[in-house]
Amino acid sequence: AQSVTQLDSQVPVFEEAPVELRCNYSSSVSVYLFWYVQYPNQGLQLLLKYLSGSTLVKGINGFEAEFNKSQTSFHLRKPSVHISDTAEYFCAVSDNSGTYKYIFGTGTRLKVLA
Amino acid sequence: NAGVTQTPKFRVLKTGQSMTLLCAQDMNHEYMYWYRQDPGMGLRLIHYSVGEGTTAKGEVPDGYNVSRLKKQNFLLGLESAAPSQTSVYFCASRLQTGSTEAFFGQGTRLTVV
Repeated sequence: AQSVTQLDSQVPVFEEAPVELRCNYSSSVSVYLFWYVQYPNQGLQLLLKYLSGSTLVKGINGFEAEFNKSQTSFHLRKPSVHISDTAEYFCAVSDNSGTYKYIFGTGTRLKVLA
Repeated sequence: NAGVTQTPKFRVLKTGQSMTLLCAQDMNHEYMYWYRQDPGMGLRLIHYSVGEGTTAKGEVPDGYNVSRLKKQNFLLGLESAAPSQTSVYFCASRLQTGSTEAFFGQGTRLTVV
């Protein structure tokens, strides 16, 4: 079975500062990894995904994430945040063994301060 | 192109009442999912379906039933609502591969009193 751990429930950061949101996963099979963003009272939108190949993936709105197989991590980063990045961020994992369950972490609430 | 549409958007139920949440997608996706979102717990998978006529249990299936009679629709039923089922419910769909992202509806906010 797969699981996803987001250790930080809330991350406050000042505008224009860098940020890293942490995600660790556990799985007995190879997986695909995703980051989603949820703005207040909305559904989830895809930020980026890792399928294979280069371990550094770039997404929308200046976000990027690095896949580290040995540490089973997929941390999300942005070099300079804006007020508009205030939202909740979810890491998700999908296996490629055929069941295609889609499991989410508990989320990290990013609050960008002026 | 509507994507994933959930109805209703809001609902208040009394304990013991029943209701059905409807999820409709117009993207010809094979896989559909129902999640509930609770503060501090992220999205937890209730049930999912990998095709018309098939359903499977997720992480928290108790108290819920689902049906996928048509490919485009995935229904979530609460037979006897309980206050513990107060939550925001999200439906999602995706193509028939593990590498694709899911597309989400806007959510249904359900309160059971």
